[in-house]
Amino acid sequence: GAGVSQSPRYKVAKRGQDVALRCDPISGHVSLFWYQQALGQGPEFLTYFQNEAQLDKSGLPSDRFFAERPEGSVSTLKIQRTQQEDSAVYLCASSLAEGIYNEQFFGPGTRLTVL
Amino acid sequence: AQSVTQLGSHVSVSEGALVLLRCNYSSSVPPYLFWYVQYPNQGLQLLLKYTSAATLVKGINGFEAEFKKSETSFHLTKPSAHMSDAAEYFCAVSDRMDTGRRALTFGSGTRLQVQP
Repeated sequence: GAGVSQSPRYKVAKRGQDVALRCDPISGHVSLFWYQQALGQGPEFLTYFQNEAQLDKSGLPSDRFFAERPEGSVSTLKIQRTQQEDSAVYLCASSLAEGIYNEQFFGPGTRLTVL
Repeated sequence: AQSVTQLGSHVSVSEGALVLLRCNYSSSVPPYLFWYVQYPNQGLQLLLKYTSAATLVKGINGFEAEFKKSETSFHLTKPSAHMSDAAEYFCAVSDRMDTGRRALTFGSGTRLQVQP
């Protein structure tokens, strides 16, 4: 496909369960970002990869959140021992690393509901 | 740290009326600025971007925005609203490329309603 894809689109988890959210960036895009969007809010940055290197993880809210991109393409955001406050839409975005501006292309998001 | 303020969480206009969505940023150095639109259950779509070329930026769907350094503003406008413009709009700011920081900082969004 031409755009960023994410799966699953919807995920319901019981509190305490682990979840894994997948992102397929646009082909050829070396930068990949994860954002968390709470209901009624703007997206908030979680973490950033350039190829397989995680260059910025300053936005991860706790050590329960872990992201990886082992081959520099597909990325997985993992949340361990989910809590109700983790309920949000998780957005993935990708961009060309060498652009003169930081234009990011967003996927449709994964809506996580923790019961 | 960068911050973005969007005045008005909800804006309602009549079809055919002017659309004005406000955005102010906090930065001593002009950053890159963006407007994104989000339709229900969809990701964010880029409307337009400011990257220090022209201060008046034209985007898709008839939207434009003007960068005003003296006011630290980047307001979004459209001369005539269409029903299809009803959506959530986000202003975002990015540091310059030479800072090494790539994250976008978003405002809290403005929901635009268009009345027939």
